Amino acid sequence: SQELEQSPQSLIVQEGKNLTINCTSSKTLYGLYWYKQKYGEGLIFLMMLQKGGEEKSHEKITAKLDEKKQQSSLHITASQPSHAGIYLCGAPPNFGNEKLTFGTGTRLTIIP
Amino acid sequence: GAVVSQHPSWVICKSGTSVKIECRSLDFQATTMFWYRQFPKQSLMLMATSNEGSKATYEQGVEKDKFLINHASLTLSTLTVTSAHPEDSSFYICSATPDSFAEQYFGPGTRLTVT
Repeated sequence: SQELEQSPQSLIVQEGKNLTINCTSSKTLYGLYWYKQKYGEGLIFLMMLQKGGEEKSHEKITAKLDEKKQQSSLHITASQPSHAGIYLCGAPPNFGNEKLTFGTGTRLTIIP
Repeated sequence: GAVVSQHPSWVICKSGTSVKIECRSLDFQATTMFWYRQFPKQSLMLMATSNEGSKATYEQGVEKDKFLINHASLTLSTLTVTSAHPEDSSFYICSATPDSFAEQYFGPGTRLTVT
């Protein structure tokens, strides 16, 4: 079965600084989803990457998919307190399959 | 964007009783809904996949007789935890998708505490 390892597990960043979260898959990636979760709440969809080399940006968040490395990265520029939360990557087992396996999560804390 | 609701948002029940959790897609028809559970400080674990009008598909290790899933319409799926025990206490999240190539939309979750 597919496993997704996220690094780091937790991150404490001063407000205004940039940061990167990585998601590495044990198997071929057929797509990669990034979600954000506030503790005890549902997931908020951030981005979906479907092709190798694809890069998407939304506001100050940029995500990239490196199929060869079976890895995706999420980069936040000029972090803000609103970015705090748990970031989860999710991946389907094959193309067109909706079932997602989730990564171990990265807990992001922003220090004012 | 698409909205998925869950009801109740939290519930406390006594050991041995059953609890039903509803998951609704409010502004789209969900051909498939998923149920996840999440223990504190852990990632989401898929419990089952629910397709409208057919039996749910359960992941390995999930007791189908304990976690009853019904997907009666394209906008509603229910998860019933039967004969709940304290170890069933968890955060249950559902998600819904309109088709295989669309993103999943997640509900806000239901926190279940079994005393």
